[in-house]
Amino acid sequence: RKEVEQDPGPFNVPEGATVAFNCTYSNSASQSFFWYRQDCRKEPKLLMSVYSSGNEDGRFTAQLNRASQYISLLIRDSKLSDSATYLCVVNVYNQGGKLIFGQGTELSVKP
Amino acid sequence: DAGVTQSPTHLIKTRGQQVTLRCSPKSGHDTVSWYQQALGQGPQFIFQYYEEEERQRGNFPDRFSGHQFPNYSSELNVNALLLGDSALYLCASSLLDMDSSGNTIYFGEGSWLTVV
Repeated sequence: RKEVEQDPGPFNVPEGATVAFNCTYSNSASQSFFWYRQDCRKEPKLLMSVYSSGNEDGRFTAQLNRASQYISLLIRDSKLSDSATYLCVVNVYNQGGKLIFGQGTELSVKP
Repeated sequence: DAGVTQSPTHLIKTRGQQVTLRCSPKSGHDTVSWYQQALGQGPQFIFQYYEEEERQRGNFPDRFSGHQFPNYSSELNVNALLLGDSALYLCASSLLDMDSSGNTIYFGEGSWLTVV
């Protein structure tokens, strides 16, 4: 079983749609949680950290359920520029800066 | 302030050859991690260097080795290249004390390696 698993893609949605990505992780010692965005043939860039209480950044909302070991990302009013691959990432306690990535979910927003 | 820089950006090697990839961390950062990202997959952790020593290692064979220099820059070496080593190799820099937070981990643009 992979340490971090994400919904298979691709997700093809029209502009203005709301889209949700889900992710589960297997290591209960996971300490920090993130969503990264990766554009085609570019490096991953931090989109947002995910906190236990849930957090929002504009059109993006991230939630964490430690009991279910589940992370989600909601994108509202999607834009063409949101088209990218979204990576669910965890950092395990006592493993320093080792980030564990899911395989990523590709999002394509169409006009 | 330069971010994380990697070289070369693209290269093609033949099976069995050796390759060296280079990384200069963000100014002020002391820790360098290397990741391999195969097509359609998320990045996989190779190893991490701090104070010129390998601090952590992922599930990669000994053909993958690295080095960190006193100026914190780093090299990734891969020997006896296989077709399956074709991937994007990403370097990430951070400060050791804060590297559990994604806010302090920065990625370079990567080196695209093709093995033929």
